[in-house]
Amino acid sequence: DAKTTQPTSMDCAEGRAANLPCNHSTISGNEYVYWYRQIHSQGPQYIIHGLKNNETNEMASLIITEDRKSSTLILPHATLRDTAVYYCIVRGMGGTSYGKLTFGQGTILTVHP
Amino acid sequence: DAGVIQSPRHEVTEMGQEVTLRCKPISGHNSLFWYRQTMMRGLELLIYFNNNVPIDDSGMPEDRFSAKMPNASFSTLKIQPSEPRDSAVYFCASSSPLSRGGEQFFGPGTRLTVL
Repeated sequence: DAKTTQPTSMDCAEGRAANLPCNHSTISGNEYVYWYRQIHSQGPQYIIHGLKNNETNEMASLIITEDRKSSTLILPHATLRDTAVYYCIVRGMGGTSYGKLTFGQGTILTVHP
Repeated sequence: DAGVIQSPRHEVTEMGQEVTLRCKPISGHNSLFWYRQTMMRGLELLIYFNNNVPIDDSGMPEDRFSAKMPNASFSTLKIQPSEPRDSAVYFCASSSPLSRGGEQFFGPGTRLTVL
């Protein structure tokens, strides 16, 4: 699976949008971009995933550039409970890659009052 | 649904002792994953099962580690003998082919301390 690069940490004010970037310049055509987050002392939690189109669900939006070499996770109205480590993961959907999530160091997002 | 259940939540043992971690996946899920998280190495996949069969155990650190899934509702991760460097949080996760994008649901983890 392709490697991802994320900033180590980011801050955001409560109520504002949090935009978390991720670089995945070596992504291949059949690999998806996944985002998970881990709130302190809990197991990781799925947020969203996409292939090439922008995606939105009840938690967040995912914007993938046209060349698919980078993406941005958007939390539209961050709350204190969104403080967590956010992981951007690139994953294939077939063969031995299926099912494997390779977690990097992620971005520590701190939401301030 | 109760989610993924792991036991024990905390385990403290002495070096050389056998440790068994347990996991009950979400009912109906056919894939099960064991992860380990440390400050130094982050979150690592140890092994995963599909339909109770181990598919990829390349992340298992050494022969002291073994995992089994005797049926669809139970899995164990055993460390024998345990060493201080095995101290970590061990997460179990499960997924279903019907999950959006193969979403993995994680349990609360077992915090293992080997003295």
